[in-house]
Amino acid sequence: DSGVTQTPKHLITATGQRVTLRCSPRSGDLSVYWYQQSLDQGLQFLIQYYNGEERAKGNILERFSAQQFPDLHSELNLSSLELGDSALYFCASSVAAGRGELFFGEGSRLTVL
Amino acid sequence: DAKTTQPPSMDCAEGRAANLPCNHSTISGNEYVYWYRQIHSQGPQYIIHGLKNNETNEMASLIITEDRKSSTLILPHATLRDTAVYYCIVRVGSLLVGGGADGLTFGKGTHLIIQP
Repeated sequence: DSGVTQTPKHLITATGQRVTLRCSPRSGDLSVYWYQQSLDQGLQFLIQYYNGEERAKGNILERFSAQQFPDLHSELNLSSLELGDSALYFCASSVAAGRGELFFGEGSRLTVL
Repeated sequence: DAKTTQPPSMDCAEGRAANLPCNHSTISGNEYVYWYRQIHSQGPQYIIHGLKNNETNEMASLIITEDRKSSTLILPHATLRDTAVYYCIVRVGSLLVGGGADGLTFGKGTHLIIQP
């Protein structure tokens, strides 16, 4: 158990819809990262937050957005969903923004039909 | 961050030491070597990291060559549960709270299969 909690574990929705994925970091961790893993793309870094502020952006689509709240939990919003958005979405946390020891949650599996 | 090269797959017999190589010939002086693994569809798991000295923890040992251009992750007594994809990642590290940023870049890794 990494201490990172992600909900929901599984989500099935239709194209065009919007979903929100939630992540609670490990106690004491200030930095949160979001990753997408699809079969053909491997693990892709989407975005990072540190103590409520966006710190780094990766390959995040404009249809996707995220935020980190004052209690440090984070949400990833995916809108206008397409079939290709079906993937595992992982959240990770670390104690500081630049630390390379990330602790990953078990992921949210999104299926878009 | 420096690029890494890993073999796509390896086999190892259960109970033997698994030695996973990684080449990072363009590594810079301030870049650390990190190892993660991902058991099928689970979240990646941090294993170990190092700068230039060899490191050991309860999971594995990390051997970094003197010129730092390559490293080896050693699982001393592999079990079936060690079957996973192992990722070697090189990146700038920061020990400063609030310092540095960016997500780790995962390549394709090595699929280690432990044979019974």
